[in-house]
Amino acid sequence: DSGVTQTPKHLITATGQRVTLRCSPRSGDLSVYWYQQSLDQGLQFLIQYYNGEERAKGNILERFSAQQFPDLHSELNLSSLELGDSALYFCASSVGQGGVETQYFGPGTRLLVL
Amino acid sequence: AQSVTQLGSHVSVSEGALVLLRCNYSSSVPPYLFWYVQYPNQGLQLLLKYTTGATLVKGINGFEAEFKKSETSFHLTKPSAHMSDAAEYFCAVSAIKAAGNKLTFGGGTRVLVKP
Repeated sequence: DSGVTQTPKHLITATGQRVTLRCSPRSGDLSVYWYQQSLDQGLQFLIQYYNGEERAKGNILERFSAQQFPDLHSELNLSSLELGDSALYFCASSVGQGGVETQYFGPGTRLLVL
Repeated sequence: AQSVTQLGSHVSVSEGALVLLRCNYSSSVPPYLFWYVQYPNQGLQLLLKYTTGATLVKGINGFEAEFKKSETSFHLTKPSAHMSDAAEYFCAVSAIKAAGNKLTFGGGTRVLVKP
């Protein structure tokens, strides 16, 4: 158990809908990262927040947005969903924001868009 | 920009045999390198990482990796495979002075262990 929690574990929805994925980092970790894992794209970095502020952005679609709240949990919002958004979404956390730090991954949320 | 290439999307080894997973990276700045393992229906777990210093890094579960700058490689090895090593393995790179701390992953290598 990494100490990172993600809810829900599974999500099934329809095209055009909007969903919210939730992540609670390890106690004491200030950074939260979101990754998408799909068969065709592999593991892709989406976005990083550090202590409530956006720090780095990757291949995140404009239909996707995220935020980190004062209690440091984070939410990833996916809207106008398409079939191709079906994937496993991971959240990870680390203590600070430097490149040397280990990122601890949650169990993921499996999203299926029908 | 950084990138990671893992040679071989699938590797099959016999129980007790050497496990060798290949990883080559590209980075314009000195890299930090990681190996993660993903068991079925689970998240990623860190096996080991290279930051600075000793180029031979030992990790959990008997795995180790050697950073070779001249070959831009960070191959993962384990002398004797166990059935419990069946999983998918990911090599990843991060940068020392990047804004933020994103990991760039390779495509993964799925390991099958035959009895």
